[in-house]
Amino acid sequence: DIQLTQSPSFLSASVGDRVTITCRASQGISTYFAWHQQKPGKAPKLLIYGVSTLQSGVPSRFSGSGSGTEFTLTISSLQPEDFATYYCQQLNDYPITFGQGTRLEIK
Amino acid sequence: EVQLVESGGHLVQPGGSLRLSCAASGFTFSDHFMDWVRQAPGKGLEWVGRTRNKHENFRTDYAASVKGRFTISRDDLRTSLYLQMNSLETDDTALYFCVCLIRGVAYWGQGTLVTVSS
Repeated sequence: DIQLTQSPSFLSASVGDRVTITCRASQGISTYFAWHQQKPGKAPKLLIYGVSTLQSGVPSRFSGSGSGTEFTLTISSLQPEDFATYYCQQLNDYPITFGQGTRLEIK
Repeated sequence: EVQLVESGGHLVQPGGSLRLSCAASGFTFSDHFMDWVRQAPGKGLEWVGRTRNKHENFRTDYAASVKGRFTISRDDLRTSLYLQMNSLETDDTALYFCVCLIRGVAYWGQGTLVTVSS
């Protein structure tokens, strides 16, 4: 199974900050990689798929990059509505797996 | 607009069975792969399994934790996805989400809660 390890698991930041979340895979992944955002009490929502393609309607302050075993999600300037938990996901191989999540909180 | 509405979750005793449903609309259901993903209370996301489309013979894959106990099926005429859960364990307590994949884009339902407890 491909294991995904996100870092950090918890992040405290302020509105306007630039933040980066990293997801490391236990083996190489092609482009079948996504990031999801989940707010408390809500279903997850897809932010980025194919490593770097922004889902329709997602603000351009979100960006994804990476290849092989290391991938990143960057938020260029945090907004109040961005405080949530973020999950990476690989769809390259079965079983499909998620990272453990990164909880982003207001400092 | 893609809509996925899960139903069927409730309290069940360990060893019991339950069938979840997901009613889909707003897209051509028969063309696309469908997943179930779950989230235990206060925990992260866990992929449960997938059913492919007719072109791939409705082939299914499962997570090791549910293989042999859970079965995913679909009814393309009713545009519905199902999850038959047998031999339920307390660790199966979770919010179960239906997810569709349309050209790489994942759409999530709101989830249905399954509680396994005596």
